[in-house]
Amino acid sequence: QSVLTQPPSASGTPGQRVTISCSGSSSNIGSNAVNWYQQLPGTAPKLLIYTNNQRPSGVPDRFSGSKSGTSASLAISGLQSEDEADYYCAAWDDSLNGYVFGTGTKVTVL
Amino acid sequence: EVQLVESGGGLVQPGGSLRLSCAASGFTFNTYSMNWVRQAPGKGLEWVSYISSSSGTIYYADSVTGRFTISRDNAKNSLYLQMNSLRAEDTAVYYCARDYLGFSWGQGTLVTVSS
Repeated sequence: QSVLTQPPSASGTPGQRVTISCSGSSSNIGSNAVNWYQQLPGTAPKLLIYTNNQRPSGVPDRFSGSKSGTSASLAISGLQSEDEADYYCAAWDDSLNGYVFGTGTKVTVL
Repeated sequence: EVQLVESGGGLVQPGGSLRLSCAASGFTFNTYSMNWVRQAPGKGLEWVSYISSSSGTIYYADSVTGRFTISRDNAKNSLYLQMNSLRAEDTAVYYCARDYLGFSWGQGTLVTVSS
């Protein structure tokens, strides 16, 4: 059961900017860091953004994250065909004493 | 480079048991917390369990509490998940993940619960 809500899909043409929202509550996003993961078809998830807005080495600066209150967002600028994937947000939940993941968003490049 | 290799998945009947292993390399295993995360076919990610570096703190998702047991052997750089009383809804790819500024993931191992 996902506690963080994401739109099921998002799309754009090459070069466009796409934004994915992640809505939570005071016990998760409101009080803990948000991480984002990219899952390419048939592969394991990969860390894309950590601690709300930090990029691991090797992740293009086209990807950016932000957080405000109990919501977070992932933006992909200059969309490329290789960005077609599922994207998940995640955060620790103090009430559940566990991690919670978003429902996932499938990004399609038109 | 962080490397996590899961093993132990397979086909098991409902009510059966299975033990998953995760072999870690490329980092100092005994200083990091670890997690198990699963993904049912065609579904999203679901966190399963957390264990601290010293095994002093352990958490489980409600869906597996009382049936699954997480453990680690720091001398062997290994993480485990003992799964008992398996149900059809436990069918999923199970990933182990290092917990530090986000998750670093293994490639996963498939568990299928079916008669």
